[in-house]
Amino acid sequence: QVQLVESGGGVVQPGRSLRLSCAASGFTFSDYGMHWVRQAPGKGLEWVAVIWNDGSNNYYVDSVKGRFTISRDNSKNTMYLQMNSLRAEDTAVYYCARDSGGQLLLRNYFDLWGQGTLVTVSS
Amino acid sequence: EIVLTQSPATLSLSPGERATLSCRASQSISSFLAWYQQKPGRAPRLLIYDASIRATGIPARFSGSGSGTTFTLTIDSLEPEDFAVYYCQLRSAWPLPFGQGTKLEIK
Repeated sequence: QVQLVESGGGVVQPGRSLRLSCAASGFTFSDYGMHWVRQAPGKGLEWVAVIWNDGSNNYYVDSVKGRFTISRDNSKNTMYLQMNSLRAEDTAVYYCARDSGGQLLLRNYFDLWGQGTLVTVSS
Repeated sequence: EIVLTQSPATLSLSPGERATLSCRASQSISSFLAWYQQKPGRAPRLLIYDASIRATGIPARFSGSGSGTTFTLTIDSLEPEDFAVYYCQLRSAWPLPFGQGTKLEIK
């Protein structure tokens, strides 16, 4: 079925790194832009990053620029978020989300979400 | 940077009543707004996009309206499963902001 499954979360010390993965199935992954959205415990939603369907472009929220890198491997139907120099304020559930555009068009709405993976940054 | 402000923070209603949730943008955003529903421990779900278009599979009791700076999500005749947190989100400006959310709780 159509789904996104995140993995790679866990507990990590401040300053360390972690890589999240998002495996897609049930749709043509290479047609869609993909996003990461996070939610700190008990807080609201925060958009983190986007990558174009072909990986040619990306954008980040200012708070993660220079520390996080979004990438994808369309041959594996998988998106990644490499998180370096982690801080306590990066603690959150990280969701991957499909852009609603499809057919190579980025619309910046999120029509399919994974279940989320929890990242805890703590010493 | 455009800021989305949702009101009220919490809305207490009974099943069968109508819910009216508001989202205000700090500057005009045309109709580039979506609404999401999130239940505890679950991922958000897209309800409405482009201010008034229901996403696939969303019941007709959910409707969206507005343009410019003021937007409304209306839920007619609340069902028990509608009690959740609702977020608005802008698509046309980075960093794709969300509102802070409105919690719809059972009275």
